[in-house]
Formats: sequence, structure tokens, C-alpha cells
Amino acid sequence: DAGITQSPRHKVTETGTPVTLRCHQTENHRYMYWYRQDPGHGLRLIHYSYGVKDTDKGEVSDGYSVSRSKTEDFLLTLESATSSQTSVYFCAISELAGAGEQYFGPGTRLTVT
Amino acid sequence: RKEVEQDPGPFNVPEGATVAFNCTYSNSASQSFFWYRQDCRKEPKLLMSVYSSGNEDGRFTAQLNRASQYISLLIRDSKLSDSATYLCVAGNQFYFGTGTSLTVIP
Repeated sequence: DAGITQSPRHKVTETGTPVTLRCHQTENHRYMYWYRQDPGHGLRLIHYSYGVKDTDKGEVSDGYSVSRSKTEDFLLTLESATSSQTSVYFCAISELAGAGEQYFGPGTRLTVT
Repeated sequence: RKEVEQDPGPFNVPEGATVAFNCTYSNSASQSFFWYRQDCRKEPKLLMSVYSSGNEDGRFTAQLNRASQYISLLIRDSKLSDSATYLCVAGNQFYFGTGTSLTVIP
């Protein structure tokens, strides 16, 4: 399995608080992605990174920011959590550009109360 | 219209059956296609790539139909362990289908 970890794995937080999720990879892949997965919507891209300090928005980026200061780490921040951001968040990595052969982390289950 | 659409199912099939899923995509410029498998409460895992000429991996066969803009996944001799949700993705676009649920029944 690809070396991808996510932390925390589970989190419960209150509306209005900031939350940061971490994705760490040991594969030295250039591309990293954050998705959220919700029933009926499938996987939706939040943000992605194509290199250190190089990031771009995805389909559902409102309310989220990201940072990548090292190749191995990609952080997702919910600036002020809302109940609509309750979801399962997956990080993914790939060697090549595009949404092709991606390898996913185990996911973070976030509940905003 | 969604970029990638799948029949959500569920597909309930007996062991040993053959089952096929389709996935349609809207962007004719899409160049790469993949099938992923996702077990309950787990992360998606790459199952196989879909090449223009089609490809086969054991009991699994993936096909691409560019004219009609769909990809398919055929599973032969279904096993209980094949029970999962199968996601398709049209590459270079970051769009995944919502997944097709398969349950193989003893």
C-alpha cells in the first residue's frame, strides 16, 4: 500500500471553530489532493497541489484553504467549520497530473456539531 | 449534467454470476479512465485502468466506448469478496462517479 497517512482519523468539533486536517505521504509524489465524500455526491475535489506551495481550487473549495510547505505534507483547513462540512475527507496522491491513478489515505471522519 | 454518471444500484447478484456496470462521461476530450473499488468505510483503491483497446485482469474486464462516451466493468464468476462500491473516473478532470454498489449473495 502507498504510504499515506491522515490525521486525525476522527474529529468532532463545534460550529465556528477552525479545523486542520493533515495528510502525510512517504512516496515523494508530486501531486496531492483533498476530497470530501458525501452520500449521493460521491467524491468531490476540494483543493489539489502540484508542488510545494503550488495549489489550486477544486469543485467545492469554498470554506476551505490548503497549504503545502513540504513535498510530504498537505494540510486542509476549515476556516470556520459549519455543519455542512460534516463529511469524510480523503487525501490522495499521484505521480502524474490529472485524476488518473491516485492512491488514497484512510480518510478522516469529521463531524461538526 | 454531471461530468461522470453511474447507476448507483444496488446490484444484488448470486455467487458465480456475471455482472456489468457502465459509467458515462460528458467530456469527449477525456484521455484516461479508471475503475476504483471502495469497501464500506474504507478508502477507494485503484482496481484497474481502462485502455482504448480494453483490458482484462483475471475475472475483471474493462472496456472503453469513445463513440458513446462510456466505460464498462465486467465481473465474471462473482465472489462474495467482490461486494463493494465501484467508482469510475474520467482522468484529467478530477471527477469521480458516485459509485455503483454491488452485493454478491451466497
